[in-house]
Amino acid sequence: DAKTTQPPSMDCAEGRAANLPCNHSTISGNEYVYWYRQIHSQGPQYIIHGLKNNETNEMASLIITEDRKSSTLILPHATLRDTAVYYCIVRVSGYSTLTFGKGTMLLVSP
Amino acid sequence: NAGVTQTPKFQVLKTGQSMTLQCAQDMNHNSMYWYRQDPGMGLRLIYYSASEGTTDKGEVPNGYNVSRLNKREFSLRLESAAPSQTSVYFCASSEVVGPGNTIYFGEGSWLTVV
Repeated sequence: DAKTTQPPSMDCAEGRAANLPCNHSTISGNEYVYWYRQIHSQGPQYIIHGLKNNETNEMASLIITEDRKSSTLILPHATLRDTAVYYCIVRVSGYSTLTFGKGTMLLVSP
Repeated sequence: NAGVTQTPKFQVLKTGQSMTLQCAQDMNHNSMYWYRQDPGMGLRLIYYSASEGTTDKGEVPNGYNVSRLNKREFSLRLESAAPSQTSVYFCASSEVVGPGNTIYFGEGSWLTVV
């Protein structure tokens, strides 16, 4: 699996958009970009994933650059409950699972 | 709306004791996984089962055994627990192994080996 690089921590004000970056410069054409988050003492929660195109669901938007070497997860209106560690993961084709790094700790403040 | 259910949620073991962590999913998924998470670190894959009847080693399989009992259940056994196995264990499942398939996680089992 391609390696990802994320900032260790970020802050965001409640109600504002949270933009979490991820670099994956060695990504190959058949690798998806996944985002999960983990709220303290809970299991990881799936947020969104994409291959080439931008994606949006009820939780977030995923913006993938045209060269696919980086992506941004956008939480449009962050709330206190969005405080969590956010993991960006890339995943090869075939039989493979998720490899979690250390992620970004997002702190949403009032 | 159970999803992935793990038991027990908390367990304290003495060094050398054995125990089994149980996991069941109700989403009719083919693939199941066991991860461990140590403080300040991401999740590391212990074992996975791509489909009923198959199991494969992950990143950190030493000291563990697994059994895919049926399509719903995937257990993790510690034959002789060691303090280094103190961790939080997560079971997960997905429709199949491979990209484009979402992995869903249980709530975790906190294991302390003294």
